[in-house]
Amino acid sequence: DAGVTQSPTHLIKTRGQQVTLRCSPISGHKSVSWYQQVLGQGPQFIFQYYEKEERGRGNFPDRFSARQFPNYSSELNVNALLLGDSALYLCASSLWGGDTEAFFGQGTRLTVV
Amino acid sequence: QKEVEQNSGPLSVPEGAIASLNCTYSDRVSQSFFWYRQYSGKSPELIMSIYSNGDKEDGRFTAQLNKASQYVSLLIRDSQPSDSATYLCAVNDPGNTGKLIFGQGTTLQVKP
Repeated sequence: DAGVTQSPTHLIKTRGQQVTLRCSPISGHKSVSWYQQVLGQGPQFIFQYYEKEERGRGNFPDRFSARQFPNYSSELNVNALLLGDSALYLCASSLWGGDTEAFFGQGTRLTVV
Repeated sequence: QKEVEQNSGPLSVPEGAIASLNCTYSDRVSQSFFWYRQYSGKSPELIMSIYSNGDKEDGRFTAQLNKASQYVSLLIRDSQPSDSATYLCAVNDPGNTGKLIFGQGTTLQVKP
């Protein structure tokens, strides 16, 4: 079975640009969550989507947005990139979110220069 | 007070020893607890989940939960150099947002 797949794996952007990150969950999983991880810290929650509805949002500015498609894949968009947005962006897949087990993709390493 | 606290380490143990990793959390209502392993430059990998007080064993790993003390731990028996990684404790947000709250992780070094 395919695990959680994220694309691209690495990305370099310039300040002020916009970026779209993509995630395909494990087959049968209906929930996707997005996390940001900076070096030396644990992942920080950005969004969770379940059945195409936003279920939760973390403490991130409105420059961050996401959506989930009918096939349960998801996109994370970040506008007006700042140097501080440089991080590993992780997508987690779970059956229905909540307290079910979450499995991470390999992540997208975003560098803003 | 941080919501989920872990000692950042590094925790150094000799090969074959038991490694004990600890985590405390602040929200008494939390119901679900997870341990992830993260190798340098990689994404977190789920190794254990625990929902009830007591011990849960899976191979060389044992998770222990004490909700009264708001404490969860991970024991790794017969530690191997390949266990050297950062171990992240995660607790679900009881507000039904689907959010996992992570500690900063404990770095484990297993010396041959």
